[in-house]
Amino acid sequence: GESVGLHLPTLSVQEGDNSIINCAYSNSASDYFIWYKQESGKGPQFIIDIRSNMDKRQGQRVTVLLNKTVKHLSLQIAATQPGDSAVYFCAENINTGNQFYFGTGTSLTVIP
Amino acid sequence: EPEVTQTPSHQVTQMGQEVILRCVPISNHLYFYWYRQILGQKVEFLVSFYNNEISEKSEIFDDQFSVERPDGSNFTLKIRSTKLEDSAMYFCASSKGGGVEQYFGPGTRLTVT
Repeated sequence: GESVGLHLPTLSVQEGDNSIINCAYSNSASDYFIWYKQESGKGPQFIIDIRSNMDKRQGQRVTVLLNKTVKHLSLQIAATQPGDSAVYFCAENINTGNQFYFGTGTSLTVIP
Repeated sequence: EPEVTQTPSHQVTQMGQEVILRCVPISNHLYFYWYRQILGQKVEFLVSFYNNEISEKSEIFDDQFSVERPDGSNFTLKIRSTKLEDSAMYFCASSKGGGVEQYFGPGTRLTVT
């Protein structure tokens, strides 16, 4: 099946620093990607998405970069805050199908 | 802001029993989904539902599982005869269309003993 993996299972950053969370995907047919944030005891929460016809998309304090050549996705969080502590998942979608394939997740801890 | 809701938040059942997990998707959404997450593992797709029928399902979604939209608001997942390995968080999600942003509920923690 499809494989979406994360390079680092855990990441610790100082409050105010920028965070970068990485994701590798294996299916070159994937054309839509979402970053989700999951806080303890809650469901995944949408952060930002990007389609394969773009290589960068910016939101509020977050930026997603897509490198289709190496099948790599990253999430950058600017000025990381304690409330950003959570597990972050990338998820990929293929040809507007209904199924999203999730990665294992990276646990981000923000140190005050 | 509209949100997906799920009940119960925690369900404990004995092996072999049937369970029904309930979800109320966002009202103007047309696509509904169930995912599961075994503790410490990634979120896995189970099934998608559109226009009153299953549109996609994964290998996990075998004959023990079924989904239903019994009325205009609820979306349910039934597990006919639970196994120990069914213990997981089950998330319901909904979306306006296929292949677009999916909104997740808070999940139901199913514990099979």
